Amino acid sequence: NAGVTQTPKFRVLKTGQSMTLLCAQDMNHEYMYWYRQDPGMGLRLIHYSVGEGTTAKGEVPDGYNVSRLKKQNFLLGLESAAPSQTSVYFCASSYGWTVSGELFFGEGSRLTVL
Amino acid sequence: AQSVTQPDIHITVSEGASLELRCNYSYGATPYLFWYVQSPGQGLQLLLKYFSGDTLVQGIKGFEAEFKRSQSSFNLRKPSVHWSDAAEYFCAVGARSNDYKLSFGAGTTVTVRA
Repeated sequence: NAGVTQTPKFRVLKTGQSMTLLCAQDMNHEYMYWYRQDPGMGLRLIHYSVGEGTTAKGEVPDGYNVSRLKKQNFLLGLESAAPSQTSVYFCASSYGWTVSGELFFGEGSRLTVL
Repeated sequence: AQSVTQPDIHITVSEGASLELRCNYSYGATPYLFWYVQSPGQGLQLLLKYFSGDTLVQGIKGFEAEFKRSQSSFNLRKPSVHWSDAAEYFCAVGARSNDYKLSFGAGTTVTVRA
């Protein structure tokens, strides 16, 4: 049981390049989330999904797009990367409050934009 | 919207000593409260959570936390710290009505000295 898997784990981009981070979960969770972690700021929610085919904006959605075409996958895209998007990105998934409320996290993807 | 404040950015504690990490939340109704731990280079792991009922909750690794509604606090404690407890700790709050999103505090880094 792999849990939440993120790919790639490390990536270096030049300003203006595009990329996609993939998150896959094998726990049949309805809810999936993308957070970014920056020093002194904790985790901030970028986008989230409450089910297959749905997406919604979080606290810091600008510059990012997401898609949830399959229940087990949640993709985070950067269309034109900027140095301000240098961060560690975490994907998480959950059953929601009615079961346990716990978010299960991936190991993170470190992105550097030059 | 809910929010979380962790007043202490960094705490240093001696091995065997007690530890208390502070967390204050802002939310109008009864919140869902969580503590997560992040070891270096890893994702986040749930330590404990409060949904309702007994305000003193027990978690993994010997941690406990107490929900105090009057103080809007959910402080984490451990009676005797081990070197392996060195990590970053995040308090998080969720609301019943907001699509199961969690808002995280900025985190407290714990250093354990021998």
